[in-house]
Amino acid sequence: DAKTTQPTSMDCAEGRAANLPCNHSTISGNEYVYWYRQIHSQGPQYIIHGLKNNETNEMASLIITEDRKSSTLILPHATLRDTAVYYCIVRGRLSYNTDKLIFGTGTRLQVFP
Amino acid sequence: SAVISQKPSRDICQRGTSLTIQCQVDSQVTMMFWYRQQPGQSLTLIATANQGSEATYESGFVIDKFPISRPNLTFSTLTVSNMSPEDSSIYLCSVVQGENQPQHFGDGTRLSIL
Repeated sequence: DAKTTQPTSMDCAEGRAANLPCNHSTISGNEYVYWYRQIHSQGPQYIIHGLKNNETNEMASLIITEDRKSSTLILPHATLRDTAVYYCIVRGRLSYNTDKLIFGTGTRLQVFP
Repeated sequence: SAVISQKPSRDICQRGTSLTIQCQVDSQVTMMFWYRQQPGQSLTLIATANQGSEATYESGFVIDKFPISRPNLTFSTLTVSNMSPEDSSIYLCSVVQGENQPQHFGDGTRLSIL
């Protein structure tokens, strides 16, 4: 699985958009980009994933560059409850034999009032 | 997504003892996993729990230390054996419900060994 690079920490004002970048320059053609977050004292929460098209759901948007070497997770209106560690993970298509997630150190997002 | 329950949510144990952690899912799932998160660290996969057969362990983890059972499609256990203070961690269960579905995690078991 390709390696990812994320900033160690970021701040965001409540109500503003939080843009979390991730570099994955060695990503291969069949690898997806997944985003999870971990709020203190909870298990990781799945946010979104994508292959090459931009994706949006009720939680966030995922923007993947055309060359797929980087992506940005966007929380459109950050709230205090979005304070968490955000993990960007690159892995191949899920299958019954290879579904392993390799977690890096992630980005600690602090949303302030 | 599936509702994942882990028991106990936390425990304090004496060194040399063993503890079994349970993971119960409210619906059948195709895959179940066990992760460890040491204090201040990210998650590390311990093993894949295979239904009806021996678990598949990652490098650095062995069955004698972390025996795993998965008797059916909704339940798995992880035992932490002969515990030492270095085993103090959060242990998390995760599941996959089907092909091309994301993994979902329980809230973990916070384990402290004295």
